[in-house]
This record gives sequence, C-alpha cells and structure tokens, in this order.
Amino acid sequence: DVKVTQSSRYLVKRTGEKVFLECVQDMDHENMFWYRQDPGLGLRLIYFSYDVKMKEKGDIPEGYSVSREKKERFSLILESASTNQTSMYLCASSPGFREQYFGPGTRLTVT
Amino acid sequence: AQSVTQPDIHITVSEGASLELRCNYSYGATPYLFWYVQSPGQGLQLLLKYFSGDTLVQGIKGFEAEFKRSQSSFNLRKPSVHWSDAAEYFCAVGPSGGSYIPTFGRGTSLIVHP
Repeated sequence: DVKVTQSSRYLVKRTGEKVFLECVQDMDHENMFWYRQDPGLGLRLIYFSYDVKMKEKGDIPEGYSVSREKKERFSLILESASTNQTSMYLCASSPGFREQYFGPGTRLTVT
Repeated sequence: AQSVTQPDIHITVSEGASLELRCNYSYGATPYLFWYVQSPGQGLQLLLKYFSGDTLVQGIKGFEAEFKRSQSSFNLRKPSVHWSDAAEYFCAVGPSGGSYIPTFGRGTSLIVHP
C-alpha cells in the first residue's frame, strides 16, 4: 500500500522561528510536491521536486525553501515563520505524469 | 494554459439521494483527469482517474465519472449518497506539456443531510 507520511499532524511555532516540515514516501516516486491549503483558496503549490537535489518554484514560494537530499524525503523549510504562514500543509508524490498520493497534512499555527 | 473549474462551491444533498459534482477543464489535448476526496483534517485521496479508453470510469467508494470531450467536462456521480461521503471534492487535470504539475479546481464541499 502506498504511503506518504508527514512528520507532524499539528505544529505550533512562534513568529521568527525556523520551521522544518518533513515528508517521506515509500513508493520510489520521482516527483514530490508541497502545497498549502487555505479556506476558499484551494491548493496552492509552493515547491516541487522532480529528482534528488532538483527543485522548482511553484505559485507561492516566497518565505519558503525546500531540500531533497534523498529520493524518498522532501523537506519544506520556513526560514522565519510569520503569522500569515498559518495554514494546512500537504505533501504529495507522484510517479511521472500520473496521479498524486498525498500525506495526511500538517496544520501549522504561527503565533 | 490548462485550467479547471468546479462551478459549485457547496452542494447539499439528502442521504440516499443521487449526486453529481461538476468539473470543466481547459486543455489543449486529451487530458489526464482525476477526482480526489478530502475528509475533514485529512489529506487528499484519489477517487478515480481517466487517461484514455472507456469514457465512463469507476472509482472507489461507489463513485463514477464520465469524460465528455465535446463539453470539456468530467463530472463525478454517485447513485446514492451516504453520510460518510460528506467531504471536499477536487477535480484535477494534467500534468502536461513537459510539466509534472497538475492543475486543481478550487473544490466542492459536499454536505449530506440525514
């Protein structure tokens, strides 16, 4: 059974903290994605990666960075968390040009 | 550029009633099409997908969808809705054109009345 896991379901951080969100997939997929989801705005792509150490910016990369040192792991980094980054963060992976498999999400609150 | 429109933000149905969620897309070629479901506080789960062939596709949880090229639509249907179907539903198209990135609709929230 395919599996995408995210390091935390709920996270509370203070403004200015550096935040790491981890995502691991066990399906040997080439592609991995980070989205944020806010009410009324749908899914917005932050970054995606199509191979180890390769990344491309999505629609809203400002304030975020990513790291993919191993094929199975894709990390999202908030360099200096701000209250407007309070959101649900979803990680996904996919094998090429096919369907995506999503993790359970991390609900991040920045106070 | 490809786009996906889900015209209905909310849909309310009674338990046992039939359901149809609308999805229209804009795409230059034969698209890959998907429907995902998201239960509250969870990630998205694939319901069904269309790549080619039979235009009526069956998915999990008793859902089906029909690809209509002439109408650029991929509507999701279920003959009898259960209370547990209350969730957010997302239609997606792609990826394409050398990009690995699919395009999602804004989602339709399904409310089921007992």
